[in-house]
Amino acid sequence: QQPVQSPQAVILREGEDAVINCSSSKALYSVHWYRQKHGEAPVFLMILLKGGEQKGHEKISASFNEKKQQSSLYLTASQLSYSGTYFCGTVDSSNDYKLSFGAGTTVTVRA
Amino acid sequence: DVKVTQSSRYLVKRTGEKVFLECVQDMDHENMFWYRQDPGLGLRLIYFSYDVKMKEKGDIPEGYSVSREKKERFSLILESASTNQTSMYLCASSLPGLAGGPDNEQFFGPGTRLTVL
Repeated sequence: QQPVQSPQAVILREGEDAVINCSSSKALYSVHWYRQKHGEAPVFLMILLKGGEQKGHEKISASFNEKKQQSSLYLTASQLSYSGTYFCGTVDSSNDYKLSFGAGTTVTVRA
Repeated sequence: DVKVTQSSRYLVKRTGEKVFLECVQDMDHENMFWYRQDPGLGLRLIYFSYDVKMKEKGDIPEGYSVSREKKERFSLILESASTNQTSMYLCASSLPGLAGGPDNEQFFGPGTRLTVL
């Protein structure tokens, strides 16, 4: 079952912050985040594991709340290069440990 | 520099044709995946493979088959293309282990945009 991402789209000015949420109805084993720029392949950002481990990438960080079955991606002091579509992928025991991706959140950062 | 390549960026086929989409990776990865990407639906897993000659169905395997005769190559086959298979197809590969496991970052190819008329 696909996780639900919100918001669907967000527009930012350079330097602003944003949060993207990823929710599942299942107990999660891990959450993966990818970014896809227009016309390019998705690129891995980070993996978050059970235990609430928080990892970062550049000024992009994320958290994983097991109890809420939810992950959030934080874009801090956004740069033009952050524009793209962000996908979360979730892994739970009911899907044979395959990645199920959300529909994506399109982020547009303007100067 | 790690690389996943797909045989075509754009492909136009007619309804009923047999279509082959090829994917090659140069990272010696055991795991390979085929996804389709549609607006508003994200990436959906069609098939994946943990090893040569092994395949597992993903979430939407109907109308597709796959072949993995060599470790580096994973082919997606549309036996009889239909208009509802018009989509972007993405191939990916990863290290061995659980498909969504903690060390299994997936590396994606550039995609093939298939149009079925």
